[in-house]
Amino acid sequence: GIQVEQSPPDLILQEGANSTLRCNFSDSVNNLQWFHQNPWGQLINLFYIPSGTKQNGRLSATTVATERYSLLYISSSQTTDSGVYFCAVGRYSGAGSYQLTFGKGTKLSVIP
Amino acid sequence: NAGVTQTPKFRVLKTGQSMTLLCAQDMNHEYMYWYRQDPGMGLRLIHYSVGEGTTAKGEVPDGYNVSRLKKQNFLLGLESAAPSQTSVYFCASSYERGRTSGGQETQYFGPGTRLLVL
Repeated sequence: GIQVEQSPPDLILQEGANSTLRCNFSDSVNNLQWFHQNPWGQLINLFYIPSGTKQNGRLSATTVATERYSLLYISSSQTTDSGVYFCAVGRYSGAGSYQLTFGKGTKLSVIP
Repeated sequence: NAGVTQTPKFRVLKTGQSMTLLCAQDMNHEYMYWYRQDPGMGLRLIHYSVGEGTTAKGEVPDGYNVSRLKKQNFLLGLESAAPSQTSVYFCASSYERGRTSGGQETQYFGPGTRLLVL
């Protein structure tokens, strides 16, 4: 199956710093999503981004599908950004279903 | 809209016991999914459904069964629980393929169910 690798696995930032999280995938995909899992375990959609660049406040994401990677940028980090960030790639199966394959995540800790 | 809800939030089972996890969504989504999340890992797909009355196996289906009798509900069953099934279980839903709105495959997740099997 498709492999999804995220880096770095752990990241500690001082509040106000910027960061870039990377997601590499091993095969062509139909689309890609970034999620944030907060310390209480809730998974929140950040971006649905099969290609190109999107921005939402202090967060932005870029996917270069032809080179099989995606980047998540966090600017001016805040303590509320702490948690685990997951990249998940989506593919359609031969039966027409749609499945997400998740990476293992990047654990971000933002300290005051 | 409540979005995606899961029942129960937490459960402790003894080895060999059975239980059913309930997922409900009020977004009229066609697709529904069950995942498990283990420490240090991303989510892995257990089973999924592309519509009412249909189910299919995902990456780690062994030891689980599912049913989708109503469009809004997706049930995950453990017939004989094992300690290896201790995990956090997440349900998700999404629109079906082919909708004209952008981002139709975006998956929306429930809050999770923590299951401990002793």
